[in-house]
Parts: sequence; C-alpha cells; structure tokens
Amino acid sequence: NAGVTQTPKFQVLKTGQSMTLQCAQDMNHEYMSWYRQDPGMGLRLIHYSVGAGITDQGEVPNGYNVSRSTTEDFPLRLLSAAPSQTSVYFCASSARDRLGYTQYFGPGTRLTVL
Amino acid sequence: EDKVVQSPLSLVVHEGDTVTLNCSYEVTNFRSLLWYKQEKKAPTFLFMLTSSGIEKKSGRLSSILDKKELFSILNITATQTGDSAIYLCAVGDMRFGAGTRLTVKP
Repeated sequence: NAGVTQTPKFQVLKTGQSMTLQCAQDMNHEYMSWYRQDPGMGLRLIHYSVGAGITDQGEVPNGYNVSRSTTEDFPLRLLSAAPSQTSVYFCASSARDRLGYTQYFGPGTRLTVL
Repeated sequence: EDKVVQSPLSLVVHEGDTVTLNCSYEVTNFRSLLWYKQEKKAPTFLFMLTSSGIEKKSGRLSSILDKKELFSILNITATQTGDSAIYLCAVGDMRFGAGTRLTVKP
C-alpha cells in the first residue's frame, strides 16, 4: 500500500528558483492538502483541494500555486523561492465525512532555500 | 479567525509517569477535534473527537472533549520512551496547534 507519496524527500534551491513538489495518493480520497511545518508553529495549511478541478487557499498561500487535474495528484509549485520558504512540507489526503477529515500524511519534503 | 492553542509546548517526564496534554480552540465551524502523533516523520492519526464527555481510548492513551469549555485533553499513562514525540491537535478546517513536544526519559 503506497498511501501518500511525496517527491523529492530533500531539495535545496537558490533564491528565485522555481520548483514543483509532487504528491500522489492511491486511496481515492477526495480531499488533499499541503502543509508546511516550521519549528514551534505546528502545521500550517497552504492550499487544499476538495476534489479534482477544485482548489482553495489555506492559511499561508502566498508564494505557492496548486492544481488538481486528477484525484490522485496534487502538486505544489513554488513560483520564486525565498529563504522564508525553507521548511518541511507535508502533503495529506483524506476521505471526507460529515464529521471531518482524518488525514493521512506523506513522508514530507525538506526544502532549503539559500 | 480560527485558533488552536496547545499546552504545554514542551514536557519532559520519566518512564512510568502520567502526562496530560491540553488543546483549546476557537473555531467558527466545529465538527471534530483530532489528535495526531508525530515522531520523526509524518503525523499519524490517534483520535477523532466529536461529542463532549465521551472518552476515546487506545491502550495507554485516552482523550476527551469538552465542547462547552472548548478544549480537549490527551492523557498518556505509564509513559514509555516510545511515547516521545510531538503531539498535534487539529480542529475545524485542518487548523493545527503548535504541538506539544513530549520527551520521556528512561
């Protein structure tokens, strides 16, 4: 069972470079989301999607773009990397029920922007 | 704005101790409160709480929700070194608290 996969595991970028973090899930979950985790700040929601073709902004969306062309994939694009985007990024997916979302997380991508 | 506050931020105990972690929240559209455990990598799901006063239990871990006072607690009894982790609380539309870092010393 693959669950939620993320690539790459580690990435170093220079300021101004762009890149895409990949996320895929094989559980046919409607809901997918991207978080960043910084020391002492828990997980902060960047963008999320409630289904193919539908995305919305979370708490900290600036500097990031997403798209959801298929149920399985939810890539996160950094348009012009900045040192403030140095963080660990987690992708998550969940089935949606009326009570909320029990999320399954990918292993994370550690991004450093120099 | 939705807010989730966890306390304490950090806790160091010895094996066998009992710990209580707190999560208070203010959200506009409450449906559930979730607890996660994060060791070295990704958070893993522990509990989902939706109703006040009903304890959820899994082994040495238990949790309860108070929807009137807007908080939840996570209890861990007879702690073991394997309980060392960050414990995260999430409410509403996936708003997470900062987490409690628990260290259990042998």
